[in-house]
Amino acid sequence: AQKITQTQPGMFVQEKEAVTLDCTYDTSDQSYGLFWYKQPSSGEMIFLIYQGSYDEQNATEGRYSLNFQKARKSANLVISASQLGDSAMYFCAMREGRLTGGGNKLTFGTGTQLKVEL
Amino acid sequence: DGGITQSPKYLFRKEGQNVTLSCEQNLNHDAMYWYRQDPGQGLRLIYYSQIVNDFQKGDIAEGYSVSREKKESFPLTVTSAQKNPTAFYLCASSISGGLRETQYFGPGTRLLVL
Repeated sequence: AQKITQTQPGMFVQEKEAVTLDCTYDTSDQSYGLFWYKQPSSGEMIFLIYQGSYDEQNATEGRYSLNFQKARKSANLVISASQLGDSAMYFCAMREGRLTGGGNKLTFGTGTQLKVEL
Repeated sequence: DGGITQSPKYLFRKEGQNVTLSCEQNLNHDAMYWYRQDPGQGLRLIYYSQIVNDFQKGDIAEGYSVSREKKESFPLTVTSAQKNPTAFYLCASSISGGLRETQYFGPGTRLLVL
């Protein structure tokens, strides 16, 4: 079974609108971390936001927020007020705790290609 | 400026040849990682190291080797045993291996087979 599932291969959004990128995960561990990265066409992975499994509040970083629904095992990324520079590939990733032997490994989803239009 | 550098940006490999990808960081991070990315896919872990002179296999270590002789450096060798090496290779580092620790990535190396 896939540990990280991103069901939207591609998304379009108009400039200045908000967009939600979906991510669901699968783990039997109680302690885990969820990350979102942005990958522009240049290829570098840029860290956006982190959510810990025990964090009570949803994470926010500027225009990025994470809609964390633990019971549904989802960690959707919300980008508010989209900008042309937000056009990129977005990856959801999970690090599991030592209980499941996760160690330091990040498990990535297959990504969502976001295109921001005028 | 602190960061992670990878070289070369593009690398061409001939059949039967070993090639080495460089990764250097000046962030004073203990942990370093190598990932492989194929077109349309996410990243997969090849090897990681939490401390100098120690490293562990990731999910797809076959055909690859690493060394960690210095804290700043974590070179990856793609050996001739790796039959499908064409991919984008990303190096990352983090302060430690803690659950909350963010991994920061270098700019990547594209490896192509001639």
